[in-house]
Amino acid sequence: AQSVTQPDARVTVSEGASLQLRCKYSYSGTPYLFWYVQYPRQGLQLLLKYYSGDPVVQGVNGFEAEFIKSNSSFHLRKASVHWSDSAVYFCAVSAGNNNNAPRFGAGTKLSVKP
Amino acid sequence: GPKVLQIPSHQIIDMGQMVTLNCDPVSNHLYFYWYKQILGQQMEFLVNFYNGKVMEKSKLFKDQFSVERPDGSYFTLKIQPTALEDSAVYFCASSLEGVSYEQYFGPGTRLTVL
Repeated sequence: AQSVTQPDARVTVSEGASLQLRCKYSYSGTPYLFWYVQYPRQGLQLLLKYYSGDPVVQGVNGFEAEFIKSNSSFHLRKASVHWSDSAVYFCAVSAGNNNNAPRFGAGTKLSVKP
Repeated sequence: GPKVLQIPSHQIIDMGQMVTLNCDPVSNHLYFYWYKQILGQQMEFLVNFYNGKVMEKSKLFKDQFSVERPDGSYFTLKIQPTALEDSAVYFCASSLEGVSYEQYFGPGTRLTVL
């Protein structure tokens, strides 16, 4: 089955700085890739998703991610973070058929310093 | 936007007892999921449910686990009997049409088995 590795458990950046959260997936076929964000005491919310086409996908709140097949990566980026971006970010991969639900990474906790 | 509700938010139970976790999915969604997250660790896939049937389950979905959604009511996860290692936060999710679509997550039920 497919799997995801998020190598950074915690990331701290200053407000206004740029951000990259790393995600590497394992799946032999064409993946469906997602980034979700989780705020305290809430469920996960979708930031963006990639199915096909342009490997750079835009999401909500200025987030984007780039699918690099040769590297099996789907890193999340933001040009300038805000303190309200502090949350836990999850990367997920699906095989795209209904017998293989999305699998999630361990998450990266982002702290933005004012 | 659409919301998934989970009841209760926190459940404390003695080992060996039965527990039922309830999920009220988005009203027109057809696919339902349970995930398990032990504090600070990976969010692990448990089960994917559609049209009254389990589509996929992981090795974490032990024989003591069962899911159902009788007559379009709550989507439930039942654990009978519970074990200490079942202590975790359980997240319910739903999607409109299959695993390639955005999942909507509930805020989770924290289960503590004593």
